[in-house]
Amino acid sequence: EAGVVQSPRYKIIEKKQPVAFWCNPISGHNTLYWYLQNLGQGPELLIRYENEEAVDDSQLPKDRFSAERLKGVDSTLKIQPAELGDSAVYLCASSPGGSGGETQYFGPGTRLLVL
Amino acid sequence: GEDVEQSLFLSVREGDSSVINCTYTDSSSTYLYWYKQEPGAGLQLLTYIFSNMDMKQDQRLTVLLNKKDKHLSLRIADTQTGDSAIYFCAENRIMDTGRRALTFGSGTRLQVQP
Repeated sequence: EAGVVQSPRYKIIEKKQPVAFWCNPISGHNTLYWYLQNLGQGPELLIRYENEEAVDDSQLPKDRFSAERLKGVDSTLKIQPAELGDSAVYLCASSPGGSGGETQYFGPGTRLLVL
Repeated sequence: GEDVEQSLFLSVREGDSSVINCTYTDSSSTYLYWYKQEPGAGLQLLTYIFSNMDMKQDQRLTVLLNKKDKHLSLRIADTQTGDSAIYFCAENRIMDTGRRALTFGSGTRLQVQP
């Protein structure tokens, strides 16, 4: 069974440019998460979807970050415009349901470098 | 404190046991997890323990949970060079939104010397 798929794996952009990340969760997983991982830190939750509904986006900087999961499967995370401090790894994870206590499975991440 | 805390670094010799410690924050967390991250990769779930347990063993891995002290540990028996990675502890804490979310420590880098 395929795991969580993310693309691109690496992205280098100049500041003020837009960037988008894509995630395909494990088949059948209703809950999808986007995390930000800074160097030397653990992941921090940005947004969580249950099917197509964003149920927790309290940590998402809404002035420049947006996310969507239109059909309740794939998701995109966008930054516009990117800032130097956005350089990090963006991880996507999925889990079977929405209880919050279920095991999450992570993708390989997209490593973003903003110059 | 507010953070899940882990020591930054652990070095062991191949064949020895490794013990990675973690202090979590929310006594109502129902699950506690250990994830492994190798360079350039995402997080791989190693094991987890339900909060009503005090020990879980899975092959070379042993998880100990002390709820009174909010202390979690991961013991890796017969540590191999392939175990070299960063290990993250996580709890499913209740957030300000009223929903549970995984909160991670900063990770412990395990270095296994041949």
